[in-house]
Amino acid sequence: EVQLVESGGALVQPGGSLRLSCLASGFTFSRHWMSWVRQAPGKGLEWMATINHDGSDNYSVDFVEGRFTISRDNAQNSLYLQMNSLTVDDTAVYYCARGPDYGAWSDFLDYWGQGTLVTVSS
Amino acid sequence: IVMTQSPLSLPVTPGEPASISCRSNQSLLHDNGHNYLNWYMQKPGQSPQLLIYMGSHRPSGVPDRFSGGGSGTDFTLRINRVEAEDVGVYYCMNSLKNVPTFGQGTKVEIK
Repeated sequence: EVQLVESGGALVQPGGSLRLSCLASGFTFSRHWMSWVRQAPGKGLEWMATINHDGSDNYSVDFVEGRFTISRDNAQNSLYLQMNSLTVDDTAVYYCARGPDYGAWSDFLDYWGQGTLVTVSS
Repeated sequence: IVMTQSPLSLPVTPGEPASISCRSNQSLLHDNGHNYLNWYMQKPGQSPQLLIYMGSHRPSGVPDRFSGGGSGTDFTLRINRVEAEDVGVYYCMNSLKNVPTFGQGTKVEIK
């Protein structure tokens, strides 16, 4: 059974930093692209960043470039999101989601974790 | 790529059909002939779940009352006969390029 378990969410002050983790199980983690998607309270889904299967390439939404960094450790079956210079607008539930196998022609997020809440407030 | 859904709110009657529209400002039809458009449902208090991928493909475990159609810039999610458990927010998402974008979401509720 595919499982994605996020952790690391917390209450942090504006300007602070946080590192989110996502532990994957039930599939060959090193074969899949992975993504972070967030959802502010009462709002819609917003893609944040994607990393390829071996960590050699990644993409992120423009407004977090330079502040947020996606990374992975395939030996630990783990995905990370390092978030720096946090603002109140970063308050959201952050989901990790599984992307396609690196050899696939398709592209969609098929499994999502339960999310971890990040609250940025003074 | 900007994704626009309509309607944003959809009251439905159990047993009746329902449909949600999703439009993109660029074609989502890849050179390989596939549409890079996916549909998700988010039930209250839960994570999003995949309903339809690549325009019209339904993952195993998704009830066959859900179907996806369309091509290029215009797509539709159809629910054949709505059930009470279908309440939630539905999102379309484009995955054509390395910067996925979601529609605003359509809230489906029972009349």
